[in-house]
Amino acid sequence: GAVVSQHPSWVICKSGTSVKIECRSLDFQATTMFWYRQFPKQSLMLMATSNEGSKATYEQGVEKDKFLINHASLTLSTLTVTSAHPEDSSFYICSARAGSDSNQPQHFGDGTRLSIL
Amino acid sequence: RKEVEQDPGPFNVPEGATVAFNCTYSNSASQSFFWYRQDCRKEPKLLMSVYSSGNEDGRFTAQLNRASQYISLLIRDSKLSDSATYLCVVRASGGSYIPTFGRGTSLIVHP
Repeated sequence: GAVVSQHPSWVICKSGTSVKIECRSLDFQATTMFWYRQFPKQSLMLMATSNEGSKATYEQGVEKDKFLINHASLTLSTLTVTSAHPEDSSFYICSARAGSDSNQPQHFGDGTRLSIL
Repeated sequence: RKEVEQDPGPFNVPEGATVAFNCTYSNSASQSFFWYRQDCRKEPKLLMSVYSSGNEDGRFTAQLNRASQYISLLIRDSKLSDSATYLCVVRASGGSYIPTFGRGTSLIVHP
């Protein structure tokens, strides 16, 4: 159980393109989903916390207008990287927690490798 | 002091060895603790939760020391397939329950 699906797994786009990444919890409802970014050989960096039906909470230094997050249902959150540039190239990973129990672990999607040319 | 600290390693051990990692945390209100494993260019996968009384899952043993504010992961009889980065995750009570990840400890098991 607790499967999180992330799509697409790999994106290569030209600079200036907007890229949308989907994160779905397949067999559970996720009130809260998290979006992370990870650069090579570095730790996961939390970008934002996505709450179903409300605005996302962004971490300091993360541009809200650049990284648009929508969490329209209990099983789907999307991250849109608007007007992507080469410096946005990274590994983006979402995670979801089943239910509202904060003691539950997070389950991660497979990640999306974004390359902007 | 960082909220969650881990020795980045790498820990280079032979097959069959026993290896242990520690992870210290600064927030004494932390309530939930986990160990994740991340393979190169892959997403983190939950290895085990860490309970107050300590817990074991096969060759893996996790322990929590609240007094000294650290958690540990012990791997016995290391396998080549154990080579990965091990991330500790700490979550405080209250607020939005946002988890904090350590930078990870790299383990290399060699023949």
